[in-house]
Amino acid sequence: GQQVMQIPQYQHVQEGEDFTTYCNSSTTLSNIQWYKQRPGGHPVFLIQLVKSGEVKKQKRLTFQFGEAKKNSSLHITATQTTDVGTYFCAVSGGSNYKLTFGKGTLLTVNP
Amino acid sequence: DGGITQSPKYLFRKEGQNVTLSCEQNLNHDAMYWYRQDPGQGLRLIYYSQIVNDFQKGDIAEGYSVSREKKESFPLTVTSAQKNPTAFYLCASSRWGQGLQETQYFGPGTRLLVL
Repeated sequence: GQQVMQIPQYQHVQEGEDFTTYCNSSTTLSNIQWYKQRPGGHPVFLIQLVKSGEVKKQKRLTFQFGEAKKNSSLHITATQTTDVGTYFCAVSGGSNYKLTFGKGTLLTVNP
Repeated sequence: DGGITQSPKYLFRKEGQNVTLSCEQNLNHDAMYWYRQDPGQGLRLIYYSQIVNDFQKGDIAEGYSVSREKKESFPLTVTSAQKNPTAFYLCASSRWGQGLQETQYFGPGTRLLVL
């Protein structure tokens, strides 16, 4: 099935600094989803990207899908303590209902 | 109020014991999933079900069993054959996709600990 590498595994920032996590695949992806999991919580869907070169924004979060549809990034501008958590990318596992998740990037923010 | 519920929140298992984790959804979703989460490992798929009375093995099905007798319910049994069951178990559901990957909605999870 599909495999995705997510980097970095951990990122610690000062509040107000920017943060980026990357998701890379060796094969072309049909689409990619991003989820956020707060400490002690469960994953919550953030967004889905489908088109080559697509860029979507949600307030301070910017999501990009690469032109070749083999990579994606999530960028947070001016982090806040509420951004703390693990961010996962997820790609289709070959069917419309099976997802393969990256290992996630744990973001901690120092106030 | 629609959503996914999992019970119990914490579960303790003794050696050689089978335990069953509950997952119920009232979102009218066709597909349901069970994931296991270990620290630093992300989410790994145990089993999934596209429709009632049908389910498929995921990537780490050994030592687990499921049933899907009702659309709303997808219980997971952790059998004694699962030698390292301590983990955070997450249930999820989604619509049955028609060309696009569907969003998955997760329950609050069950933490299983071995005594």
